[in-house]
Amino acid sequence: EDQVTQSPEALRLQEGESSSLNCSYTVSGLRGLFWYRQDPGKGPEFLFTLYSAGEEKEKERLKATLTKKESFLHITAPKPEDSATYLCAVANQAGTALIFGKGTTLSVSS
Amino acid sequence: IAGITQAPTSQILAAGRRMTLRCTQDMRHNAMYWYRQDLGLGLRLIHYSNTAGTTGKGEVPDGYSVSRANTDDFPLTLASAVPSQTSVYFCASSDEGDTGELFFGEGSRLTVL
Repeated sequence: EDQVTQSPEALRLQEGESSSLNCSYTVSGLRGLFWYRQDPGKGPEFLFTLYSAGEEKEKERLKATLTKKESFLHITAPKPEDSATYLCAVANQAGTALIFGKGTTLSVSS
Repeated sequence: IAGITQAPTSQILAAGRRMTLRCTQDMRHNAMYWYRQDLGLGLRLIHYSNTAGTTGKGEVPDGYSVSRANTDDFPLTLASAVPSQTSVYFCASSDEGDTGELFFGEGSRLTVL
């Protein structure tokens, strides 16, 4: 069964304290791995798509990387406005929609 | 550009009542989806539609129905609401039939008493 596991469930950082979020997956033929950001009371917002092991994508203070078993979302020198829930999702070869993890809630304090 | 519009944003409903959550997109995307989001369970797919006129079941379809009469609209109906259907419901669309990047609405918070 295809599965996505995110860790930690919650992460508290001081402003400027870099860290990483983990997304481990088991999937029958990875077609793509996606990262989303969700603010409280809002719908998820797309961040990145990764397609193959070794691929990296960057956007401002965020960098996503992908291996054959997991993806990391690296946050460099975070700011309070980076506080949100970050969701990881995968698309498999046979699937018709994304399979989401439960998310990591990041809180960045100044 | 509005993107995805969901209505209502919030609703309290008595058990046994019928309810339709509306979803409209203005991006001319072929694929549309309904997810529910529950604390500790994450986002789970209810129903999807790859193109107008077709629909399919997701992970948790029981108690829900959908229709896709045209490209823009994808309503979700609860025929007889039960308390376990209390959740936040998100509609999403994708430009690619095989999921691609999803665009989400702001959600509809439904409470069934």
